[in-house]
Amino acid sequence: AQSVSQHNHHVILSEAASLELGCNYSYGGTVNLFWYVQYPGQHLQLLLKYFSGDPLVKGIKGFEAEFIKSKFSFNLRKPSVQWSDTAEYFCAVYTGGGNKLTFGTGTQLKVEL
Amino acid sequence: DAGVTQSPTHLIKTRGQHVTLRCSPISGHKSVSWYQQVLGQGPQFIFQYYEKEERGRGNFPDRFSARQFPNYSSELNVNALLLGDSALYLCASSLASGRAGVGELFFGEGSRLTVL
Repeated sequence: AQSVSQHNHHVILSEAASLELGCNYSYGGTVNLFWYVQYPGQHLQLLLKYFSGDPLVKGIKGFEAEFIKSKFSFNLRKPSVQWSDTAEYFCAVYTGGGNKLTFGTGTQLKVEL
Repeated sequence: DAGVTQSPTHLIKTRGQHVTLRCSPISGHKSVSWYQQVLGQGPQFIFQYYEKEERGRGNFPDRFSARQFPNYSSELNVNALLLGDSALYLCASSLASGRAGVGELFFGEGSRLTVL
């Protein structure tokens, strides 16, 4: 069965620092990859997704992620974080079967002023 | 436009009881998926329904069941509640099923179930 690993469970950064959150998946076939964000008290929202084509994907709010097939990775990056980026971030993979996404355990990001 | 709405937002039950959670998808969306999010974990897929037919089922016991109505709203039922069923239950809707649908999932704010 496929799985998703997010190695950073809690990350604390100062405003303007650069962000990189790791995501690795285990599945040898075709995958579609996602990053979701959950702001405090809000619903899960899609940040970005990779289906095919350019492995460097740009999403909302200045986030981007790079799909590296050889490393089974889909790391999330942002050059300069803001206090409003404080949230929980989830990586997810789709390998087929209805609308079933397999999520990682999430990374809690706190951005300090 | 209204997003995905779920009810109730919070509820407390005792072990052995039964619970019904409800979800109204975004207008025009024909697919509803249910996920369980235990504290400290990512969401875990329970069911997906599309056009009132079950299209996917996760690794959950038979105590969990769901259905979709002609208006595309959905119910998740859990029987014989256990302490471990305490979680946030998320509903997600999409226009389509499969790869086309999963790329455009919209989540509700969830129903937080506490089992005592």
